[in-house]
This record gives sequence, structure tokens and C-alpha cells, in this order.
Amino acid sequence: DTEVTQTPKHLVMGMTNKKSLKCEQHMGHRAMYWYKQKAKKPPELMFVYSYEKLSINESVPSRFSPECPNSSLLNLHLHALQPEDSALYLCASSQEGGTGSNQPQHFGDGTRLSIL
Amino acid sequence: GQQVMQIPQYQHVQEGEDFTTYCNSSTTLSNIQWYKQRPGGHPVFLIQLVKSGEVKKQKRLTFQFGEAKKNSSLHITATQTTDVGTYFCAGGVGSNYKLTFGKGTLLTVNP
Repeated sequence: DTEVTQTPKHLVMGMTNKKSLKCEQHMGHRAMYWYKQKAKKPPELMFVYSYEKLSINESVPSRFSPECPNSSLLNLHLHALQPEDSALYLCASSQEGGTGSNQPQHFGDGTRLSIL
Repeated sequence: GQQVMQIPQYQHVQEGEDFTTYCNSSTTLSNIQWYKQRPGGHPVFLIQLVKSGEVKKQKRLTFQFGEAKKNSSLHITATQTTDVGTYFCAGGVGSNYKLTFGKGTLLTVNP
């Protein structure tokens, strides 16, 4: 069982659709992450939120729009995606570390996204 | 930019054999974490190493962090079929959040 819940588990959408991925955690973590993972590849960091503020944007195209409504929720809004955006999208959360100190990240099961 | 190289890319073993995966960073790391991802699953945190020369054990798994904090290894003794999956190392360099993942080692175990 994972303590980070992602919905939906699977999503198929056309290139003109708008959809959102959702992530929820109740571990009291104040850092939340979005990753993209292609098959047989490591996770690639997209965004990091710390205390509900965007802390890192890894030069992600604007067709991906993150949102952190509160400390437990993280959304990823999708619009006008391309076929190459098909991937597993993973949400993760962690405690806040001290300066220069990473904390273990807890991953959700992911949303498997297919763009037609 | 920072890179973390991980070898081997694939390893197939007979059940009961040992397994080791290695990571090497181009820069000194503040810490290194290890994750396991089962086929069709999500990465699961295994351990974090912070100190130079640190060695940690979890049952049949032994994790090492090099003296220079640039390399790390994961050794599994007497593999079991439940060890199947991809093992990723992930290094941190001073950012509270960003980890640089190695490409992973896919371990398969023949029963």
C-alpha cells in the first residue's frame, strides 16, 4: 500500500483535450514532486513544491501546469499534449530537509498517460 | 551538469547468487539514496547514506558510500525471486529536493 495516492491510474487523452492528474498525501510532508518516467528510464524531475510554493521547475513545457491547492494536494493540469508526453507520471512527497539535505521521497503508484 | 553513472544496466542471476550494482558521480555528493522499482510499480525508498565511507545493512542488502562521497554500491547476498526489479541510485548535491538518478540496474532472478 502506498501513502501517496494518485488518480487516475490510467488516462488516455487526445492532443486537444484538457485533463488533470491528482495527488494526495496525509503524511504531513511539506515538499511534493512531479516526475515523468518513460519505460526503462529513471524518473525525471518536473516540479517541486515546498510549503505550497513552486520551488523548482525543470524547464517543463507550459502545456504542463502544476498546482498545489494545499499541503496535502498536488495537481498537474494537462493541455495540448504531444504523443511524446505519453509516460508514467509519478507524484512524490517528502519531509523538508535542512539546507543541502535531501529527504527520502515517497512515491505514488503513478498515472499511466497515453496521448493519442 | 551533474551525472550519476550506474552499472550494469542489466543483471540476470540464478537464485542464490549474489548481485552488485555500482554508482559513480561526476561530483561530490551530499548524500545518496537507493530506490527499488518492481516491474509495473513505483520507486520505493530503500536507504539513504550521508557520511563518507558509510556502510549500512538491511538483511541481505549491503549499501556502501565511498570515502570521497562520489561512488556507492548495493550488494545483495543470495538473491531471491522477490529481489526482482530495477534498482536506482539517486544522488543529492546541496539541493534540498533535487536528486540525480542513475539509469538503474534491472535485476532478474532465475528460480
